[in-house]
Amino acid sequence: EDQVTQSPEALRLQEGESSSLNCSYTVSGLRGLFWYRQDPGKGPEFLFTLYSAGEEKEKERLKATLTKKESFLHITAPKPEDSATYLCAVQARGSGNTGKLIFGQGTTLQVKP
Amino acid sequence: NAGVTQTPKFRVLKTGQSMTLLCAQDMNHEYMYWYRQDPGMGLRLIHYSVGEGTTAKGEVPDGYNVSRLKKQNFLLGLESAAPSQTSVYFCASSYQQGWTGELFFGEGSRLTVL
Repeated sequence: EDQVTQSPEALRLQEGESSSLNCSYTVSGLRGLFWYRQDPGKGPEFLFTLYSAGEEKEKERLKATLTKKESFLHITAPKPEDSATYLCAVQARGSGNTGKLIFGQGTTLQVKP
Repeated sequence: NAGVTQTPKFRVLKTGQSMTLLCAQDMNHEYMYWYRQDPGMGLRLIHYSVGEGTTAKGEVPDGYNVSRLKKQNFLLGLESAAPSQTSVYFCASSYQQGWTGELFFGEGSRLTVL
């Protein structure tokens, strides 16, 4: 069964304190792994797509990496505005171009000034 | 552009009542989706559509029906609401060609079934 597990469930950081969020997955052939950000009361917002082990993507203070079994979202010197829930999702082979994604339960990040 | 718009944003139903959630997108996307989000469960796909007049089941389709009569609209119906359908519902859309993984989500519809 395809599955995505994120850890920790919640993370509190001080402003400037770097850390990583983990996304472990099991999928019958990975087509892509995706990271989304979700602010309270809003819909998820796309961040990154990773396709193969060893791939990395960066955006401002965020860097996503991928191995054969997990992905990490590294947050360098976070600011309070980085506070949000970060969602990881995978797409299995055979899904074509459709957004039939399997989501993890998310990690809620709080960055205190 | 408004992007993806969902109506209503909030609704309270009694068990057994029916209702329809409307999703509209103005990006001319081929694909549209309905997900539900529950605490500790993550987002789960209910139904999706790959074009006008087409629909397909997702991971948790039971108790829901959908229709895509127009390309820009995707309707989610509950014929006989149950407390287990209390959730936040998100509509999303995506383009077909050269898709990079980006789903465009609406702001959600919070449904409570008493």
